[in-house]
Amino acid sequence: DTAVSQTPKYLVTQMGNDKSIKCEQNLGHDTMYWYKQDSKKFLKIMFSYNNKELIINETVPNRFSPKSPDKAHLNLHINSLELGDSAVYFCASSHSNGGNYGYTFGSGTRLTVV
Amino acid sequence: RKEVEQDPGPFNVPEGATVAFNCTYSNSASQSFFWYRQDCRKEPKLLMSVYSSGNEDGRFTAQLNRASQYISLLIRDSKLSDSATYLCVVRGSGTYKYIFGTGTRLKVLA
Repeated sequence: DTAVSQTPKYLVTQMGNDKSIKCEQNLGHDTMYWYKQDSKKFLKIMFSYNNKELIINETVPNRFSPKSPDKAHLNLHINSLELGDSAVYFCASSHSNGGNYGYTFGSGTRLTVV
Repeated sequence: RKEVEQDPGPFNVPEGATVAFNCTYSNSASQSFFWYRQDCRKEPKLLMSVYSSGNEDGRFTAQLNRASQYISLLIRDSKLSDSATYLCVVRGSGTYKYIFGTGTRLKVLA
């Protein structure tokens, strides 16, 4: 009955590879997000989808491509992985009316590029 | 100036102490405010929303000062289990984007 689930939890891969991270939420939220938390622990938004529509696209290399097949799923594909991509990637979801509900986060995917 | 700023700490306090954190935000049109807690190697979890009139949840009290553009979190009777990083989060008006501060690290010592 996990609310926001991400897979895989850990991902170790070589430079130049292509990898995907999947996220699913069963909270009935209509907005989903990808955040990156770097080694200094700063959480920075990358993308957001509302009802499958891309609404936030921060300055992220175009090697990163999100895909939302439906409002309960948001996947992240990364091409040509680089050492600097090593970080923890968090998926989150919320109601679009925001208000005082905040986000619910997944448990994170720890990506290590070697 | 960063959109959301916090003192990174660490704040080292003994068990039973009262500790307070502040967080300042730059966008005066910000509408929603939150405190999140993040344990080491875990995801952030919503601790409490911050309402205009201030609000309390057990040992935790949150305040909002719109004039000075800051929010605060007060923790009374600190427990060892309160040791974590506390993240200030702000959402602007008419936006889905929540901006996170870099967090304030709290260590409660026995």
